Amino acid sequence: QKEVEQDPGPLSVPEGAIVSLNCTYSNSAFQYFMWYRQYSRKGPELLMYTYSSGNKEDGRFTAQVDKSSKYISLFIRDSQPSDSATYLCAARSGGYNKLIFGAGTRLAVHP
Amino acid sequence: EAGVVQSPRYKIIEKKQPVAFWCNPISGHNTLYWYRQNLGQGPELLIRYENEEAVDDSQLPKDRFSAERLKGVDSTLKIQPAELGDSAVYLCASSLKEASNTEAFFGQGTRLTVV
Repeated sequence: QKEVEQDPGPLSVPEGAIVSLNCTYSNSAFQYFMWYRQYSRKGPELLMYTYSSGNKEDGRFTAQVDKSSKYISLFIRDSQPSDSATYLCAARSGGYNKLIFGAGTRLAVHP
Repeated sequence: EAGVVQSPRYKIIEKKQPVAFWCNPISGHNTLYWYRQNLGQGPELLIRYENEEAVDDSQLPKDRFSAERLKGVDSTLKIQPAELGDSAVYLCASSLKEASNTEAFFGQGTRLTVV
C-alpha cells in the first residue's frame, strides 16, 4: 500500500462546476500537506500548503485536512478551463523529511 | 527572477548508453532535489542536497545513478548504463533551507526515453 493514495481520474467537469479532489494517507506521522498543480510537460507548482488538520482558503481554492480520517481534499470553485491540469497531493512528517506524493488526478474543465 | 532551469528538456538514448541531466537552481537556494516521475505517477525523491552535501540519497540506485553538486550551486544527475525502465521525467527542485521542501520550486524536467 502506498503512503499517499490518490484516484488518477480523469475527472471531466463543465466550466463553473465545483471540483473536489481527494487523497488518503496511511502514515499517522504526516503533519504537512500540500497540493501541487502540474500542467502538461511542466514541473509541479505549489498550490496550497496546510499544517495539521483544518481548512485553508486561497481565492477559488480550499484545502482541507482531516487527520482523524487521514483524508486530504482540494476544492475548486467556479472551475475554469485554465484549471485543467494534474493535481498532486503530497505529505510529509515533521522535521526535514521527504515529500511523499500521490499519483495525481487529471482534471479537465471544458467550456 | 529565473526559476529552476533544467537541460536538456528531452533526451532519447539507446539502452546501455550513458546520459546526464543538468540543473541550475534558483539563486540563493541551498537545498536541491532530484526527483523521478514515472508516467501517471507522482514524483519520487532520488537525492537531496544541502549545499554541496548529499544528505538523503537513500532512494538513488547507486549501481547506475550518480549525482554531484559542485560548489553547492548547479547539479548533474548521471545514469550509466541506462536501462529501459529508466524512461521517466527527471525533475530538479530547489528551496531555501529554512523553508524546507514544502516550498520547493520545480524545474520543467527532462523527459528521458530509453529505447
